[in-house]
Amino acid sequence: QSALTQPRSVSGSPGQSVTISCTGTSSDVGGYNYVSWYQQHPGKAPKLMIYDVSKRPSGVPDRFSGSKSGNTASLTISGLQAEDEADYYCCSYAGSYTLEVFGGGTKLTVL
Amino acid sequence: QLQLQESGPGLVKPSETLSLTCTVSGGSISSSSYYWGWIRQPPGKGLEWIGSIYYSGSTYYNPSLKSRVTISVDTSKNQFSLKLSSVTAADTAVYYCARAPIMITFGGVIAHAFDIWGQGTMVTVSS
Repeated sequence: QSALTQPRSVSGSPGQSVTISCTGTSSDVGGYNYVSWYQQHPGKAPKLMIYDVSKRPSGVPDRFSGSKSGNTASLTISGLQAEDEADYYCCSYAGSYTLEVFGGGTKLTVL
Repeated sequence: QLQLQESGPGLVKPSETLSLTCTVSGGSISSSSYYWGWIRQPPGKGLEWIGSIYYSGSTYYNPSLKSRVTISVDTSKNQFSLKLSSVTAADTAVYYCARAPIMITFGGVIAHAFDIWGQGTMVTVSS
């Protein structure tokens, strides 16, 4: 299966907002409300930030929010902080045969 | 709290079989609310889901790897394992194990997300 499409990089200044997109198809992102987002700092394991498109696990700041429109899901980070600089990956349920598909990842730089 | 720890050889020869184990501590692998997955990340690249297993032994594999992957579970040891056969340099990666809360539908198992991850283990395929 093809990976979901994410921009390779995004950037923003402290305090600003950034949005990372994740584009799939009607067979994955567009077909189900099971999109998740992960933050990964260098050398570390991924950390779950958003699940079921827009739900935040306990402990994740409300600066992180998720949404979906059609075949594209989005992660928005408001009030950017230096520690938000990391790689971000989306993931979607893709049906009973393929199950899970990840995006290629987006590097967020806090200027 | 629940923790996952990968273990296994860090170096595997081409054409051989990669074998890793994930040990679950602080909770039971036999919960009906989760399945347990393997995800890998080649150096400098993105994440790739390899497959997942339910405590009953039901398995779910990435179609692109299915012919080479076997995932098994040992509930008595609270562990699940990954075997990847006929490895090449392209299988060099950090391998993570992770837990996923699930729901069971008429269409099959759906994972909400991978909510707890192991620290990962680097496996290099080289002679």
